[in-house]
Amino acid sequence: DQQVKQNSPSLSVQEGRISILNCDYTNSMFDYFLWYKKYPAEGPTFLISISSIKDKNEDGRFTVFLNKSAKHLSLHIVPSQPGDSAVYFCAANNNAGNMLTFGGGTRLMVKP
Amino acid sequence: EAGVAQSPRYKIIEKRQSVAFWCNPISGHATLYWYQQILGQGPKLLIQFQNNGVVDDSQLPKDRFSAERLKGVDSTLKIQPAKLEDSAVYLCASSPVWTDTQYFGPGTRLTVL
Repeated sequence: DQQVKQNSPSLSVQEGRISILNCDYTNSMFDYFLWYKKYPAEGPTFLISISSIKDKNEDGRFTVFLNKSAKHLSLHIVPSQPGDSAVYFCAANNNAGNMLTFGGGTRLMVKP
Repeated sequence: EAGVAQSPRYKIIEKRQSVAFWCNPISGHATLYWYQQILGQGPKLLIQFQNNGVVDDSQLPKDRFSAERLKGVDSTLKIQPAKLEDSAVYLCASSPVWTDTQYFGPGTRLTVL
């Protein structure tokens, strides 16, 4: 039972354009959501997070949107850069602990 | 600040052999996690330690996997005996007490032949 799903395994975007990565979840107990970025042969690195009391959080070129009624969140990268090419994982947590449930990842390729 | 250290980076073994992975978390981080990431999937939590105590090991296959964090700092994860389906990257992460940001090490890629 996949509680966190990233339905697009890959995404290709032109440099300078917007990248939109999507994530859906099923567990209504999740109240904190994170995005991690992973380069080959490295561990995931934290990118941005959002609490369920918010619907938007912004950090530079990265914005995460949360739609609780739809159990959907998205990561927007504007403008996309070739260095953003990586695998992006969505993760969710509930207030009961610090155990993250990850989605399967989306490979983003930003073309120069 | 030094990150999470893991060794070895790569390991190839034959099925039914045993293997051990080591992790040293970020200094001062009380919480340590071990994840298994199978190719094409997201990381799956195996076990979570708070200092030297186990918080959650519900997804750890205890018939073959074991983990310890005896002094509340570094940790080892062992597989004995290994199966083909254990081929994966094993990631260690740490976090300060009761925060949600986990910091990951580079992982150990295990191949079981």
